[in-house]
Amino acid sequence: GAVVSQHPSRVICKSGTSVKIECRSLDFQATTMFWYRQFPKQSLMLMATSNEGSKATYEQGVEKDKFLINHASLTLSTLTVTSAHPEDSSFYICSASMSTGNSPLHFGNGTRLTVT
Amino acid sequence: DQQVKQNSPSLSVQEGRISILNCDYTNSMFDYFLWYKKYPAEGPTFLISISSIKDKNEDGRFTVFLNKSAKHLSLHIVPSQPGDSAVYFCAASLGYGNKLVFGAGTILRVKS
Repeated sequence: GAVVSQHPSRVICKSGTSVKIECRSLDFQATTMFWYRQFPKQSLMLMATSNEGSKATYEQGVEKDKFLINHASLTLSTLTVTSAHPEDSSFYICSASMSTGNSPLHFGNGTRLTVT
Repeated sequence: DQQVKQNSPSLSVQEGRISILNCDYTNSMFDYFLWYKKYPAEGPTFLISISSIKDKNEDGRFTVFLNKSAKHLSLHIVPSQPGDSAVYFCAASLGYGNKLVFGAGTILRVKS
């Protein structure tokens, strides 16, 4: 089945630094990938839609200059949290679906970001 | 405004019995509904989906029912197993492979 790989699974960084999270579709091409965030005991909230070869579409309230998304190929999207602050600590999850056919979104295993 | 709602935060079921997880939605434009299972610190795992043109979809122990007039769907797990214990999220989208709107999740505990 379709597999989405996310790296790293856990990262701890100091306040003010930037962190890059990678999301790869391993056995299929994904024109579109989605980035979600989950705070403890809450639901998954969509942050942005990453489109291959074009600019990402951000949800209302998500700062595009803070959460930089790059979707350089059909198998890789990256999310960079810039100038991270403790309130950015969260569980970030990416998802992707196949470019063709009816396919549900498959999710990566997520990245636990802790900003100290 | 929560477009997808799971009003039961948790559910406890005895092993071998049926688990019924419920979900309501407000946006009548949603035409694709999915259920995901999630463990802590992991990404959601796809379980089963249903298109708005159907009212039932079955896959092994999992069956999803859709009542469009009531804007309600449910996931039935029969028989429930201890390994089913997890958080279950209902999600909806406009079309296949598009962004998902998630409910708040329901914690299912299956007791042996």
